[in-house]
Amino acid sequence: DIQMTQSPSSLSASVGDRVTITCQASQDISNYLNWYQQKPGKAPKLLIYDASTLQKGVPSRFSGGGSGTDFTFTISSLQPEDIATYYCQHYDNLPPREFTFGPGTRVEMK
Amino acid sequence: QVQLVQSGAEVKKPGSSVKVSCKASGGTFSNYAISWVRQAPGQGLEWMGGLIPNFGSTHYAQKFQGRVTIVVDDSANTAYMEMSSLRSDDTAVYYCARGYLLGESGYFDIWGQGTLVSVSS
Repeated sequence: DIQMTQSPSSLSASVGDRVTITCQASQDISNYLNWYQQKPGKAPKLLIYDASTLQKGVPSRFSGGGSGTDFTFTISSLQPEDIATYYCQHYDNLPPREFTFGPGTRVEMK
Repeated sequence: QVQLVQSGAEVKKPGSSVKVSCKASGGTFSNYAISWVRQAPGQGLEWMGGLIPNFGSTHYAQKFQGRVTIVVDDSANTAYMEMSSLRSDDTAVYYCARGYLLGESGYFDIWGQGTLVSVSS
């Protein structure tokens, strides 16, 4: 099974700050890594798929990168509405064909 | 624009079963991997299982095999997740999500609003 880890588990930043979150896979997953935003009491929302492709309608201040085992998610200029928990996720299309989420990174306003 | 609308909150006794529905409005489930993801209070997201249309089969996370059944009624554009032998640690919000699969890529682009299942004696 492929395991996903994220760091940090939480962070505090100010409006306008550049925020970076990392996600690491336990084995090479090429660029098959996705990022979600979840605000309190709401369903997750897809932001980035295949490591760096921005989902339609998602602001360009969000970006992703990386390949293999190491990935990054960046908010170029933190906005108040970006306060949320961010999850990375991978789909393994080999048996048993599972989706795996990272443990999440909570982003708070300083 | 497809929306996934889930059934309402449930309160259950330990040892009982629960069945949660997820109806697609404005579209269908055809050719999409419908999955269920749960989130215990204050915890992260946990994939439970889902239909993988590419392989015409339903897959479950090992943790839920034998206790969870996921079915899709294409005629009603509705997916169901049934969990048996409920325990207090099954208390969580349960989400359905539409999975988009293309080759090795797989992600959830549309989510239901979530259904709170509370298990308490």
